Amino acid sequence: GAGVSQSPSNKVTEKGKDVELRCDPISGHTALYWYRQSLGQGLEFLIYFQGNSAPDKSGLPSDRFSAERTGGSVSTLTIQRTQQEDSAVYLCASSPPWGGRSEQYFGPGTRLTVT
Amino acid sequence: RKEVEQDPGPFNVPEGATVAFNCTYSNSASQSFFWYRQDCRKEPKLLMSVYSSGNEDGRFTAQLNRASQYISLLIRDSKLSDSATYLCVVNPGDSSYKLIFGSGTRLLVRP
Repeated sequence: GAGVSQSPSNKVTEKGKDVELRCDPISGHTALYWYRQSLGQGLEFLIYFQGNSAPDKSGLPSDRFSAERTGGSVSTLTIQRTQQEDSAVYLCASSPPWGGRSEQYFGPGTRLTVT
Repeated sequence: RKEVEQDPGPFNVPEGATVAFNCTYSNSASQSFFWYRQDCRKEPKLLMSVYSSGNEDGRFTAQLNRASQYISLLIRDSKLSDSATYLCVVNPGDSSYKLIFGSGTRLLVRP
């Protein structure tokens, strides 16, 4: 079956512009996560959605970052007024309700470059 | 101190070698432990979970030492295709869903 998909795969934007990154989780997966990974670094947790519960936004680095998940499926991560330090790979993951929340399946990521 | 620490490597080994990675975690209440594999410019993929009793999957063996708060991954008979970055991952236990990723240990297997 189809895995987690993300778009765009690459995004180059000018400092100060807003960007939207999209994630389509695996069908039937109730949990969705956003991470970012800077070059040579580990994954940094950003936000978590589980069903209709309020999202855990504790990892968002600033109020320029926001995310939503519509209909319990597709999610959009928005970065407003982008800064050069926002340059990273943004990874989305989803997990099934039965496999344990640890079993996360990752999408291929969106490589964001802020110039 | 980072919550999950790994030696970044790289570990450069010949084919057929046995190689071991360790990872330490800071939160003694951590509940679950995993190894993920990440190929260059690819997304991470679950390699194996780490159980208290230790577990083996083919050439891969994972062990957990709760007293010393470290996890290990042993790879026997290394293949060229094992070249990747291995991420140590910990569920800190304060919530059942959040995973903390180490920065990874890079393995290079040479012919």
